[in-house]
Amino acid sequence: DSGVTQTPKHLITATGQRVTLRCSPRSGDLSVYWYQQSLDQGLQFLIQYYNGEERAKGNILERFSAQQFPDLHSELNLSSLELGDSALYFCASSLSGQGIGIYNEQFFGPGTRLTVL
Amino acid sequence: LAKTTQPISMDSYEGQEVNITCSHNNIATNDYITWYQQFPSQGPRFIIQGYKTKVTNEVASLFIPADRKSSTLSLPRVSLSDTAVYYCLVGDIESGTYKYIFGTGTRLKVLA
Repeated sequence: DSGVTQTPKHLITATGQRVTLRCSPRSGDLSVYWYQQSLDQGLQFLIQYYNGEERAKGNILERFSAQQFPDLHSELNLSSLELGDSALYFCASSLSGQGIGIYNEQFFGPGTRLTVL
Repeated sequence: LAKTTQPISMDSYEGQEVNITCSHNNIATNDYITWYQQFPSQGPRFIIQGYKTKVTNEVASLFIPADRKSSTLSLPRVSLSDTAVYYCLVGDIESGTYKYIFGTGTRLKVLA
């Protein structure tokens, strides 16, 4: 158990709908990351927040948005869903901010499996 | 953008040493290189990270040459439970924007 929790575990919805995925980081971690994993795209970085502020941004679609709240949990909002958005969405957390280093090991949650029908 | 490529798959027998290489042609200068293990329907799990030369922990070794354009994960004496997908993770600064880039992943199958 990494200490990172994600809800819900599974989500089934229809095209055009909007969903919210939630992530609670490990106790003490200030950074939260969101990744998308689909069969044909591998693990793709979406966005990172550090202590409430956006820190790094990947290939996140305009239909997707995220935020980190004062209690450090994060939500990923996906709107106008398309079939191609079906994927596993992972949240990770780390102690510090940008970069990959000794104090920035990313711990991953169990993921949310999104199915768009 | 950093291109991180790995062999798609590898087969090995129990007890053998396995080496998986990740090529990353353009990574952020000050960043470490990290490797993860992933089982089906689970989140990636940290294995090891390093900056250069060789790093060893209780489960793996990581070799990084001086130019840091590649890294090799070494798993000594693999067992059936090591069957998983292995990813490298690097950072890239493209046009001043930092991004985290996972490698393409290597599916390791350990045979009895």
